[in-house]
Amino acid sequence: EIVLTQSPGTLSLSPGERATLSCRASQSVSSNYLAWFQQKPGQAPRLLIYGASTRATGIPDRFSGSGSGTDFTLTISRLEPEDFAVYCCQQYGSSPITFGQGTRLEIK
Amino acid sequence: QVQLVQSGAEVKKPGASVKVSCKTSGYTFTTYYIHWVRQAPGQGLEWMGMIDPSGGSTNYAQKFQGRVTMTRDTSTSTVYMEVSSLKSEDTAVYYCARPGPQTFDYWGQGTLVTVS
Repeated sequence: EIVLTQSPGTLSLSPGERATLSCRASQSVSSNYLAWFQQKPGQAPRLLIYGASTRATGIPDRFSGSGSGTDFTLTISRLEPEDFAVYCCQQYGSSPITFGQGTRLEIK
Repeated sequence: QVQLVQSGAEVKKPGASVKVSCKTSGYTFTTYYIHWVRQAPGQGLEWMGMIDPSGGSTNYAQKFQGRVTMTRDTSTSTVYMEVSSLKSEDTAVYYCARPGPQTFDYWGQGTLVTVS
């Protein structure tokens, strides 16, 4: 199975700053079937990005995804207060579907 | 609009079984696979498997083979996920999820299963 490793584990930033989150796969992700989710306490995950770089419906353009193969990045250009949450990546190109362990984005 | 509504929280003893339901609406039930994902307290997301509501075929993660059963009822547009031989490590929030253009765009609200 494909293991996804996210870094950093925790990222401390201030509103208005830029956030860069990394997701590295143990082997190439088929067809760049890599997604990013945001999760807040007590809520279900929310899809942000699929296909490595396509924003899901209703997702603000301050969220962007990039990368291919084994290295992927989620960038939040200017952090809003509601963006502080846990972010995880997912690969869905190979079975079993796997998730990264998550990056916690906290207010500095 | 697409909705996935799950059954309520459960408390079970070790060795028992639990069956969680996921009632769908707002789309043609047989068009999209339904997946199950769980999240232990303070942990990440773990994919358990999926079911094709059209024919009922399933694909389970190897870890859950033999202990998880996913079924569907087309008359009520509902999917079920049963876990048997529960252990304390199965304490988690269980989610059903439906793909959108590619991956999980719609999620149920989650069902907390406590094994104690």
